[in-house]
Amino acid sequence: EAQVTQNPRYLITVTGKKLTVTCSQNMNHEYMSWYRQDPGLGLRQIYYSMNVEVTDKGDVPEGYKVSRKEKRNFPLILESPSPNQTSLYFCASSFWGGQYTGELFFGEGSRLTVL
Amino acid sequence: EDQVTQSPEALRLQEGESSSLNCSYTVSGLRGLFWYRQDPGKGPEFLFTLYSAGEEKEKERLKATLTKKESFLHITAPKPEDSATYLCAVQKKSSGDKLTFGTGTRLAVRP
Repeated sequence: EAQVTQNPRYLITVTGKKLTVTCSQNMNHEYMSWYRQDPGLGLRQIYYSMNVEVTDKGDVPEGYKVSRKEKRNFPLILESPSPNQTSLYFCASSFWGGQYTGELFFGEGSRLTVL
Repeated sequence: EDQVTQSPEALRLQEGESSSLNCSYTVSGLRGLFWYRQDPGKGPEFLFTLYSAGEEKEKERLKATLTKKESFLHITAPKPEDSATYLCAVQKKSSGDKLTFGTGTRLAVRP
């Protein structure tokens, strides 16, 4: 089954404790991206990757890091989480060009709470 | 600044009662407008892409239309399984892959 898998789905952590949210897709997609979704603000892009070893900042990259060492994986790293990073996070992927046609495949989301 | 505003925020319909959701936008140089469906606890699911004013796309009970200032998602004879949040997003020609999302319309269809 074609899917984007995120882990963990739910996490409660404390300020400053490094964490990684993993994202893996099995569709051989070139493009991958991370979004956060907050009430009243809509989805906002954090980072994106056009292909392996190619990443770039989105609208709200502060406090986050990413890496793209393999085509299928695109982990989101919070080196020192803060309460304002409490949010619902989505990973998305698409075939090349899909990022310009809106044809993104989203994971089921990771709800993160930072105390 | 690019803006996307969706209305209403929430809509409750009786099964079979047709209605429309609105997405108004202020973007210079629109590349495309996209509609997504989001079920509770799930990620958004792509529905439609519209590129130019006058364009229409259909899928089952859903029909999306586009003008120079807004898009409508028409739902004809909705069923309870159409209950979801519907998101629209716009993309500018000059902004690469960036999507600007609206905050969505929560639709509830009662049997």
